[in-house]
Amino acid sequence: KAGVTQTPRYLIKTRGQQVTLSCSPISGHRSVSWYQQTPGQGLQFLFEYFSETQRNKGNFPGRFSGRQFSNSRSEMNVSTLELGDSALYLCASGPAVSSTNEKLFFGSGTQLSVL
Amino acid sequence: DAKTTQPPSMDCAEGRAANLPCNHSTISGNEYVYWYRQIHSQGPQYIIHGLKNNETNEMASLIITEDRKSSTLILPHATLRDTAVYYCIVRVSGNTPLVFGKGTRLSVIA
Repeated sequence: KAGVTQTPRYLIKTRGQQVTLSCSPISGHRSVSWYQQTPGQGLQFLFEYFSETQRNKGNFPGRFSGRQFSNSRSEMNVSTLELGDSALYLCASGPAVSSTNEKLFFGSGTQLSVL
Repeated sequence: DAKTTQPPSMDCAEGRAANLPCNHSTISGNEYVYWYRQIHSQGPQYIIHGLKNNETNEMASLIITEDRKSSTLILPHATLRDTAVYYCIVRVSGNTPLVFGKGTRLSVIA
């Protein structure tokens, strides 16, 4: 099985722009979670989608949003970028059998740099 | 906030067992202990999880104390490829997000 695929791998944007990151989960997985990783704050949960519905949400401003498509692929969007949004954005997929995710499988992430 | 406490760093000689401790003194009866690791420039990787019994899989063993207030992850024969940050996480169920702390940076030395 192919792993979790995140695109692009690297991205450079300027302040005020918006960005869309993409995540393709493992085939058959229905849950996708997003995390932000920075040197100062570590790994922080953004949101989780299951069957196209947001199931959990972390403590991030409304500039961060996401969605999931019927094929389980997910996108996250950050609008009005700030310098502090520079981070590694990680996507994780889970089988969500009976709505539980005992194991999450992470992609390699998208490294976003905001200048 | 993370509900676990781990030492910030540890060293281990290659071929020896690596024992990574985790304190979770406020764990609830329905919370599981999960371990993930993150090798540089990669996403976290699931290792193992357990509720109260000791668990073993092809990667590691998880020893949970009887009072469940602490646990130890054991890598039986550490290799250089085991150098990573190891995260101990307590979690109610698969429906709740993973809350990562700062983890333990394990360095395996030749």
